[in-house]
Amino acid sequence: EVRLVESGGGKVQPGGSLRLSCAASGFKFNNYWMHWVRQAPGKGLVWVSRINGEGTTTTYADSVKGRFTISRDNAKDTLYLQMNSLRAEDTAVYYCARFQGGGSSDAFDIWGQGIMVTVSS
Amino acid sequence: SYVLTQAPSVSVAPGKTARITCGGDNIGGKSVHWYQQKPGQAPVLVIHYDTDRASGIPDRFSGSNSGNTATLTIGRVEAGDEADYFCQVWDSTSDHQVFGGGTKLTVL
Repeated sequence: EVRLVESGGGKVQPGGSLRLSCAASGFKFNNYWMHWVRQAPGKGLVWVSRINGEGTTTTYADSVKGRFTISRDNAKDTLYLQMNSLRAEDTAVYYCARFQGGGSSDAFDIWGQGIMVTVSS
Repeated sequence: SYVLTQAPSVSVAPGKTARITCGGDNIGGKSVHWYQQKPGQAPVLVIHYDTDRASGIPDRFSGSNSGNTATLTIGRVEAGDEADYFCQVWDSTSDHQVFGGGTKLTVL
């Protein structure tokens, strides 16, 4: 079964850091671009970041650039999101998602269950 | 940055047809994907590349894309179709993925 499972969420104070993990199973992890997408409570989906299969190319939304770092460990079939200098507006459910193809116009075909991150004092 | 516009809500009676639109500048020139999200759950891909149903999605779901509007059509609507629906495209200018604000489908 193809599966993505996020972990590492929780409550953190403004200015703090948190690292999210996403464990993949059931598919050849290093063949796929992987993304993070977030959803603030009661709001829509917002794309956060992406990384290619080799882990050599990354892209970030302007709202997180310079604060968040996406990475992957293909030996462990795991995707990461290091989040620093967290702000209240980063409060959201964070989803990892598999990109179905090698092109930029493809879709997210597999999603994790999501993990809540709360930034509050 | 590229903006996708969706109506906040659509209501439809059971057995009728629901149409959910996604507006964007020349969106017909892009590949549009649609996701269904039920409360407390992760999004699920329903339509990709404008018109193709994702695996396991019933043929009551269909998509189209032309000009400045993409449309997700749900025929013979059932209570179980009640959910939020999001459209998504790639913005080549920013090299970012973009989502619409979402449409809440209510089955009356």
